[in-house]
Amino acid sequence: QQPVQSPQAVILREGEDAVINCSSSKALYSVHWYRQKHGEAPVFLMILLKGGEQKGHEKISASFNEKKQQSSLYLTASQLSYSGTYFCGTEMAGGGADGLTFGKGTHLIIQP
Amino acid sequence: NAGVTQTPKFQVLKTGQSMTLQCAQDMNHNSMYWYRQDPGMGLRLIYYSASEGTTDKGEVPNGYNVSRLNKREFSLRLESAAPSQTSVYFCASRWDRLGYTFGSGTRLTVV
Repeated sequence: QQPVQSPQAVILREGEDAVINCSSSKALYSVHWYRQKHGEAPVFLMILLKGGEQKGHEKISASFNEKKQQSSLYLTASQLSYSGTYFCGTEMAGGGADGLTFGKGTHLIIQP
Repeated sequence: NAGVTQTPKFQVLKTGQSMTLQCAQDMNHNSMYWYRQDPGMGLRLIYYSASEGTTDKGEVPNGYNVSRLNKREFSLRLESAAPSQTSVYFCASRWDRLGYTFGSGTRLTVV
């Protein structure tokens, strides 16, 4: 089943913070986060594994609540380059390399 | 260091025509995937290949076929294109259950 992302869209000023949420009704093995700029391919940001810890780099980080099957992506002190559509992709517990199921995306617009 | 290469980048087909989308990766990844992306729908899995010699249906396989030619190459075929197959198609690969590397996509229009 497709994970649910919220919000659908966010408009921020440069330097503000943002949180994007992803929730699933199924038990998850992992949650992935990708960013896609207009007309380009999605780019992998990070993966959150069941039983793993929060992973991230610089001002983008994420968390995974296994009990609630929810993940959140945190963008701190946003930069213009953070603009784009963010997708979470989920992988079910017990699955092999079956592929990710993606949410519908969150559009993030950063204004100067 | 090409990553995942897709061809063609753009294609216009008439209803009923056939075509094959090509995908090749040079990262020695075992698993390869085909997704389609439509406005407001996110990315939906068409077919995947967990390893060389195996292929399986994803969420939206109707109207498509795939071939895992070898470890590097995974092609997607539309036998009789329909307007509903107008979309952007992405090929992706990955090592084990880690993150995807996507190709640059094929923009297909069926008229």
